Amino acid sequence: DAGITQSPRHKVTETGTPVTLRCHQTENHRYMYWYRQDPGHGLRLIHYSYGVKDTDKGEVSDGYSVSRSKTEDFLLTLESATSSQTSVYFCAISGGSQGADGYTFGSGTRLTVV
Amino acid sequence: SQKIEQNSEALNIQEGKTATLTCNYTNYSPAYLQWYRQDPGRGPVFLLLIRENEKEKRKERLKVTFDTTLKQSLFHITASQPADSATYLCALAPDSGYSTLTFGKGTMLLVSP
Repeated sequence: DAGITQSPRHKVTETGTPVTLRCHQTENHRYMYWYRQDPGHGLRLIHYSYGVKDTDKGEVSDGYSVSRSKTEDFLLTLESATSSQTSVYFCAISGGSQGADGYTFGSGTRLTVV
Repeated sequence: SQKIEQNSEALNIQEGKTATLTCNYTNYSPAYLQWYRQDPGRGPVFLLLIRENEKEKRKERLKVTFDTTLKQSLFHITASQPADSATYLCALAPDSGYSTLTFGKGTMLLVSP
């Protein structure tokens, strides 16, 4: 998707290992978000950022941490991966507050924890 | 509790007909509501936003209505095409202050030739 890339696209990891997913944007947008998407649950917010070093928790933040040291990068870390964290992870960005101009999503990272 | 409900059953329609998808919400007073399209293996794509003081919004073949009394938004695709087949998500910001979007689970639309 234009202006936002996620890496890696796919990852398989073992239970108990730390994992970091990266979201990179070239739009200079202030707001960045991490969602996970699971069958039967839809998209659920994990963490979000409203500026460099400014982050807050979402609905399903347990077991996850984030960092934003630069405007363009938002990292999601699974501190000790569990099978329940097998999911598709989407990063999103928005330029205005409240997302009133719509969110732009990345292509997602499919994470499998075995 | 707060809920956003979209029909979990897929909507099957014939090409050329109008597709109508529903989004109902409870215990929210959203400042606006958004609709997204999601294709398999891809991230959602923003389509339309409608504000609480707007009754209707149009964009090409798309039309969205927003009834804050019924707590419902309807999403219409006129003259539907097989290429419109996708999952459609509604999303809302819970209040008028800065807040993040909460998404419904989506409704799959299948348009057959």
